[in-house]
Amino acid sequence: QSALTQPASVSGSPGQSITISCTGTSSDVGGHNYVSWYQQHPGEVPKLMIHNVSNRPSGVSYRFTGSKSGNTASLTISGLQAEDEAVYYCSSFSAGHTVLFGGGTKLTVL
Amino acid sequence: EVQLLESGGGLVPPGGSLRLSCAASGFTFSGRAMSWVRQAPGKGLEWVSSISAGGDNTYTGDSVKGRFTISRDNSKNTLYLEMTSLRVEDTAFYYCATCVGSIDPFDKWGQGALVTVSS
Repeated sequence: QSALTQPASVSGSPGQSITISCTGTSSDVGGHNYVSWYQQHPGEVPKLMIHNVSNRPSGVSYRFTGSKSGNTASLTISGLQAEDEAVYYCSSFSAGHTVLFGGGTKLTVL
Repeated sequence: EVQLLESGGGLVPPGGSLRLSCAASGFTFSGRAMSWVRQAPGKGLEWVSSISAGGDNTYTGDSVKGRFTISRDNSKNTLYLEMTSLRVEDTAFYYCATCVGSIDPFDKWGQGALVTVSS
């Protein structure tokens, strides 16, 4: 199984909005609503930001929203803040009871 | 507060074996599915394996299938990962994590145990 496809990097200025895409296939992203997003700051463990495509766990800022269209899921961060600078990973449940991760997207806040 | 503490990492030669443990506290361990996720230094995340709350069902990624075995002891609140026939490419930080569902997503993570496979 191939990893999900994410852009290597995205950037934005404080206050702006950015969107990170995550492309899979009909066997994973497009086949159900079990897509998640994680944030990882340098030297820290990953943090769950979004699950089931668009659900935010308790304590996650409303500035983080998830969506999906076909085989592509997206994470949008609005009102960019310096603390949002991190690597973001998408993941999806896949056929055969497996989990795939994307390669990660480094977000730079300019 | 949920706490997950991995142990058992270290340096092992190619072809060797190692067993990781993850001691859990702060939640009802027997009520949650658990997983192992790994991350090679400076690289991305890779799902390794998951196990149901009762331990009846296990799921394993293709890259480690047949070599790694996940298990749990609910009486000891401990998750395990038995790793055999280790390869250089298995070098990574291994994180244990709680699952929201039956296999993912992963909402609480341990600090990780470093496994280095090298001669």
